[in-house]
Amino acid sequence: EPEVTQTPSHQVTQMGQEVILRCVPISNHLYFYWYRQILGQKVEFLVSFYNNEISEKSEIFDDQFSVERPDGSNFTLKIRSTKLEDSAMYFCASSRQGVYEQYFGPGTRLTVT
Amino acid sequence: GESVGLHLPTLSVQEGDNSIINCAYSNSASDYFIWYKQESGKGPQFIIDIRSNMDKRQGQRVTVLLNKTVKHLSLQIAATQPGDSAVYFCAEITGSSNTGKLIFGQGTTLQVKP
Repeated sequence: EPEVTQTPSHQVTQMGQEVILRCVPISNHLYFYWYRQILGQKVEFLVSFYNNEISEKSEIFDDQFSVERPDGSNFTLKIRSTKLEDSAMYFCASSRQGVYEQYFGPGTRLTVT
Repeated sequence: GESVGLHLPTLSVQEGDNSIINCAYSNSASDYFIWYKQESGKGPQFIIDIRSNMDKRQGQRVTVLLNKTVKHLSLQIAATQPGDSAVYFCAEITGSSNTGKLIFGQGTTLQVKP
């Protein structure tokens, strides 16, 4: 069964450093998303992406964040200058037709020290 | 406003019993709902979804009920098994959103006692 995959599973970085979180969505999916989950809290929407552009972004997704689909298979989330409060699980998701039935990857745990 | 919530943080059931997990939402414009299961250290796993033009949908051992009058959603799990132990989230998409922004509730932890 096709799955969304994410790398790395755990990323430790120092405050102020840039990080890139990588995702490979399900191959025939057209809609891509990033969410995050701070420990013990609910999952929060960051950004949706379709047809090579951002469809919607949340207040969390400020100028420090960017997304890119550099090729036909990868979808990346970049944080330019990490802050302590960026520490969270970051989930990538994808859906095939429209924005329904979003399937999530296993997540990347980002720890900012 | 945007708010999706569950009634109970933890639900403990005996193996073999049926489980009912509840969720309340506040946005009457919401027209699509999903239930996710999240096991420790893993991403949310799609269980079942329902659109607002339906009031019931069944899957394998799971049923989702939608009551739009009182803005209430429930997930019923039949013959609960130890493997069902996880955190369950309801999530919604509002009718005004065609961008896929899912709004998640806080989550209910289901504990299955053997």
